[in-house]
Amino acid sequence: DVKVTQSSRYLVKRTGEKVFLECVQDMDHENMFWYRQDPGLGLRLIYFSYDVKMKEKGDIPEGYSVSREKKERFSLILESASTNQTSMYLCASSYQGAATEAFFGQGTRLTVV
Amino acid sequence: GEDVEQSLFLSVREGDSSVINCTYTDSSSTYLYWYKQEPGAGLQLLTYIFSNMDMKQDQRLTVLLNKKDKHLSLRIADTQTGDSAIYFCEPYGQNFVFGPGTRLSVLP
Repeated sequence: DVKVTQSSRYLVKRTGEKVFLECVQDMDHENMFWYRQDPGLGLRLIYFSYDVKMKEKGDIPEGYSVSREKKERFSLILESASTNQTSMYLCASSYQGAATEAFFGQGTRLTVV
Repeated sequence: GEDVEQSLFLSVREGDSSVINCTYTDSSSTYLYWYKQEPGAGLQLLTYIFSNMDMKQDQRLTVLLNKKDKHLSLRIADTQTGDSAIYFCEPYGQNFVFGPGTRLSVLP
């Protein structure tokens, strides 16, 4: 079974802290994604990566950065956490190609106080 | 750009059929997908349809595609309480742009 593992289910951080969300996949997928999920807004793409050390901005990259030093690991970084970044964060991975599904982690619920 | 619309909520009684609708703007994708998110979990692929098909049936699930109107729907027959979840359409294939999700509530 494909497994996408996010390092934490729940996190509480203070405003201004630097926050790292980690995601690891075990299926040698080329693509990895970070989304945030908010009620009524669905999933919004923050960043994605199609190869090691490659990254592309999604729809809402402001306030976030990412790192992909190894193929299996994709990290989301909140440089200075703010209360409006309180959300559910979902990591996903997939093979490249036209007929491919995305595999999701269980999500990290981040609260910034 | 890519845009996806879904109704946010749907309530049905157990045993009835559920129909979840999705409209989109870009019709170039080869495959169109439906994902399911159960409470406290990430999304999982539920079913998909190839863009040159009008309909695909998979047990209790029926996917209908109207390419002319850019409309995708998911019908769940004999809806059960275990079907309560959020359903996302993803009509853009490997671009992974999701709709806002429809929260399906199944009433006993």
